Amino acid sequence: IVLTQSPATLSLSPGGTATLSCRASLTVSGYLAWYQQKPGQPPRLLIYDTSNRATGIPARFSGSGSGKDFTLTISSLEPEDFAVYYCQHRSRWLTFGGGTKVEI
Amino acid sequence: QVQLQESGPGLVKPSETLSLTCTVSGGSINSYYWNWVRQSPGKGLEWIGYIYYSGTTNYNPSLESRVTISLDASKNQFALQLTSVTAADTARYYCARHVEGVQYFYGLDVWGQGTTVTVSS
Repeated sequence: IVLTQSPATLSLSPGGTATLSCRASLTVSGYLAWYQQKPGQPPRLLIYDTSNRATGIPARFSGSGSGKDFTLTISSLEPEDFAVYYCQHRSRWLTFGGGTKVEI
Repeated sequence: QVQLQESGPGLVKPSETLSLTCTVSGGSINSYYWNWVRQSPGKGLEWIGYIYYSGTTNYNPSLESRVTISLDASKNQFALQLTSVTAADTARYYCARHVEGVQYFYGLDVWGQGTTVTVSS
């Protein structure tokens, strides 16, 4: 399974809404997660099982989707939300998408 | 609060074996899946493989012929060995934990800070 994330880069202003796409090469299960990574830091789990927020993740982060198409939405962007985001799926193996950079 | 810490040589010669250890503190190694993930400079994340606390392993097909992940529950550690390394294996290596069941996958929820490994003579 190949996960393709788009766009590669998203340029937005604080307060805006980010819509990140993750498309799978095959229809997949809902075992999809999203991570945020900032420079010099390990990834941080945001969303698991497509739409469940991980512990401590603000409500402005939401996940949705099914089949081949999954979306991470970040509403009311805060300055700390500008980072790289990865989707990841659990099938027989674990696969990561190529990432989307959300920049100011 | 569970914490993970990677350790191992920062420099490995081409054709040799990369060996890293991840130490789990603040919790048990039991009942979880323990992963290795790497990130080449300026690139995305690549899953290397995992070991379940029972000893079951699962590897990225693209690396499977060179990878071994092992676990020492008595030391609360798990380890990565990657043989026949080349410059393409230069990366930051992370260890991470995940939980899953028959009908759920909770994601990689705990990560180490990572350790940089450079392959060079």
